Amino acid sequence: DAKTTQPNSMESNEEEPVHLPCNHSTISGTDYIHWYRQLPSQGPEYVIHGLTSNVNNRMASLAIAEDRKSSTLILHRATLRDAAVYYCILLNYGGSQGNLIFGKGTKLSVKP
Amino acid sequence: NAGVTQTPKFQVLKTGQSMTLQCAQDMNHEYMSWYRQDPGMGLRLIHYSVGAGITDQGEVPNGYNVSRSTTEDFPLRLLSAAPSQTSVYFCASRLRGQGRKTEAFFGQGTRLTVV
Repeated sequence: DAKTTQPNSMESNEEEPVHLPCNHSTISGTDYIHWYRQLPSQGPEYVIHGLTSNVNNRMASLAIAEDRKSSTLILHRATLRDAAVYYCILLNYGGSQGNLIFGKGTKLSVKP
Repeated sequence: NAGVTQTPKFQVLKTGQSMTLQCAQDMNHEYMSWYRQDPGMGLRLIHYSVGAGITDQGEVPNGYNVSRSTTEDFPLRLLSAAPSQTSVYFCASRLRGQGRKTEAFFGQGTRLTVV
């Protein structure tokens, strides 16, 4: 399975944008880029996913580099509730039945 | 919709005891999986199922059994609990296949302590 690299931790101020990077230099053409987050004492929750084009939803935006070797999750205005561990995961539906394989993720702290 | 429901939320076992962690989903998802999360770590895949009657091993399957007799339920069995199985267990489900809405939904977790 292709691997991702994320910073261990990041800090942000409340109401400011946050850019969470993810490197995936060995990504294959059929790997989708998924982002999940895990709030304290909760199960992970889906944030966003994409293949080649940038994606937006109500929670966040996903910017994918043209060569697909990196991506950035963008939270437009961080709130205290966005403090969580964010996981960048590559998912190949045609390979291993679509298993989500989690790394250690990036722990995001949000300061008031 | 209830989503993914896990029971119990907390459990303490003695070494050697057996138990079953329950997971149920009401979204008609084909794909279900079990993860464990140790302190300060990411989630590790234990077993997964792509439909009723079909199961397969994940990254850390030793010490755990699963079966999938219905689409809704995917129980995880510990036959002889060991302290190394102390962890938080998460169940997840999603639709199969690309091109459809395939976000995974996770339960709230079962916190298991083996003494």
